[in-house]
Amino acid sequence: GAVVSQHPSRVICKSGTSVKIECRSLDFQATTMFWYRQFPKQSLMLMATSNEGSKATYEQGVEKDKFLINHASLTLSTLTVTSAHPEDSSFYICSAAQGSRKTEAFFGQGTRLTVV
Amino acid sequence: KNEVEQSPQNLTAQEGEFITINCSYSVGISALHWLQQHPGGGIVSLFMLSSGKKKHGRLIATINIQEKHSSLHITASHPRDSAVYICAVRGSGGGADGLTFGKGTHLIIQP
Repeated sequence: GAVVSQHPSRVICKSGTSVKIECRSLDFQATTMFWYRQFPKQSLMLMATSNEGSKATYEQGVEKDKFLINHASLTLSTLTVTSAHPEDSSFYICSAAQGSRKTEAFFGQGTRLTVV
Repeated sequence: KNEVEQSPQNLTAQEGEFITINCSYSVGISALHWLQQHPGGGIVSLFMLSSGKKKHGRLIATINIQEKHSSLHITASHPRDSAVYICAVRGSGGGADGLTFGKGTHLIIQP
């Protein structure tokens, strides 16, 4: 099956710093990448959808200037959490969709972000 | 916006028992996913359904489009099946839409 690699799996950072999370599709071209986050004991929530070469579409309540998404190639999307605060501590996970197989979901391993 | 409801929220059973987890949604979809999430957070895709029934090993997933309902069954359950099982749906807008997730069912299988 299709493989999506997400890095890092865990990161601890200080308040005010920025953290970049990478999501790579290893054996297919991801025309669309989705970024989700999950707070403790809550369900996963869609943050944004990005299509290769175009600006990401953010869900209501997600600050686009704080969560910068870049999808510059068909195999790589990045999420940068800028000026991180402790309330940004969460589990972030990406999912890739491939062209004609857009209803399928290929997930990265997730990133546990802790902001101290 | 689709509302996805799962039941039960928590389930503890003995090894060998037949397990059923239910999922209902409110708006038409293009696909429904059953996912498994382990304590570390990683997610494994178990099934993607748009109609009918699928089987993989001891896992069976069914969907009734008219009733907007899906079930995940585990036969001969084993402690290694302990995980959070999540139902997620994708809209029928035609494009690549993000998933809407249920809150998950926390399953514990005791030896």
